[in-house]
Amino acid sequence: DAGVIQSPRHEVTEMGQEVTLRCKPISGHDYLFWYRQTMMRGLELLIYFNNNVPIDDSGMPEDRFSAKMPNASFSTLKIQPSEPRDSAVYFCASSLRTGKVSPLHFGNGTRLTVT
Amino acid sequence: GNSVTQMEGPVTLSEEAFLTINCTYTATGYPSLFWYVQYPGEGLQLLLKATKADDKGSNKGFEATYRKETTSFHLEKGSVQVSDSAVYFCALSDGAQKLVFGQGTRLTINP
Repeated sequence: DAGVIQSPRHEVTEMGQEVTLRCKPISGHDYLFWYRQTMMRGLELLIYFNNNVPIDDSGMPEDRFSAKMPNASFSTLKIQPSEPRDSAVYFCASSLRTGKVSPLHFGNGTRLTVT
Repeated sequence: GNSVTQMEGPVTLSEEAFLTINCTYTATGYPSLFWYVQYPGEGLQLLLKATKADDKGSNKGFEATYRKETTSFHLEKGSVQVSDSAVYFCALSDGAQKLVFGQGTRLTINP
């Protein structure tokens, strides 16, 4: 299995530009999560989906952030317009609900730098 | 709400030293507990887990025991290697699919 695939690995953009991060979960997994990691705030859950439907988006910082999952094999996280404080590593993770314990499988992340 | 507290890092040890990284949690009910590891430039990987009180999770020489009486899940390894250098995260799940993570502890092992 290829694991969770994220693209791009690195993204550098200027303030005000639109940024789109992409994620392909592990085939057959029915949950998908978007996390953001910074030195100051650690690992924060932004949003997660079950069977392509958003379940909890309470961690999305503000209206500039949006996430979609048009099908079971693809999700995007969009920031429009981007700001320097959005600079972070963004992780996508997927899991398969099997009883009580469902470990998350993480991608290698997208490092976003907004100048 | 549910929360996880880990010992402050960074932690620096010499090779073959004994490792303990403390983790305590606050949760209602009987959560599942996890340790994840993040190597440089990579995403988090599951290291070990425990689903009920007194369970011991183990993997790659690491161990952690679910202690309900002290609400703890401390990570231990008897003899660390340089290759164990990474950031370690304690996490819990209350049955919902989303995990609550601690702030992470950076571990550096010197040869």
